[in-house]
Amino acid sequence: GESVGLHLPTLSVQEGDNSIINCAYSNSASDYFIWYKQESGKGPQFIIDIRSNMDKRQGQRVTVLLNKTVKHLSLQIAATQPGDSAVYFCAERRDPGQAGTALIFGKGTTLSVSS
Amino acid sequence: NAGVTQTPKFRVLKTGQSMTLLCAQDMNHEYMYWYRQDPGMGLRLIHYSVGEGTTAKGEVPDGYNVSRLKKQNFLLGLESAAPSQTSVYFCASSYERGGLGNEQFFGPGTRLTVL
Repeated sequence: GESVGLHLPTLSVQEGDNSIINCAYSNSASDYFIWYKQESGKGPQFIIDIRSNMDKRQGQRVTVLLNKTVKHLSLQIAATQPGDSAVYFCAERRDPGQAGTALIFGKGTTLSVSS
Repeated sequence: NAGVTQTPKFRVLKTGQSMTLLCAQDMNHEYMYWYRQDPGMGLRLIHYSVGEGTTAKGEVPDGYNVSRLKKQNFLLGLESAAPSQTSVYFCASSYERGGLGNEQFFGPGTRLTVL
């Protein structure tokens, strides 16, 4: 079964609010994590990544937090905009040290932003 | 750069027919992947390749075959299509930097329906 999962399948927010999307993973040996955004009818698009030796990483309007103690990953989106409406996936790489090993994806959280 | 492209975009097959999905990337990536995406299931890895001439099985390889004769192309074959293979298929490619930035770049997807 899925071991990279998201706590909520859907999240609805108002424009301008901050959004937090959560993800739990089960393999403590996973060394690399990625957040993807997928808009309807399109392929997943990279948002931000983080390695297991990091706790936090910031991008433009996005922050990823990694808590290895509880095997939890979150994506924070600041000042959410209607264009942020999409399905968000977390993904982990479970074979440390093996370059090119495929990612294991969670089931996704659908973010809906209303004006 | 076109990035990752997939051919065709849509296809309808009858049970038992065969077809090949083509993936091409112009980023000189070593690693390529085929995923399928079903409603509520996220993305699941079918097969992947860590270099020209090499392929490996992923999470759900049964009923599919792949070939990587050229570095830029990764083909996914269905020898005898079944309704259970109705899905959206995504190709991806990546390269390993050994730190951050190992994200996979995805194509736009192929929507396959098997009747």
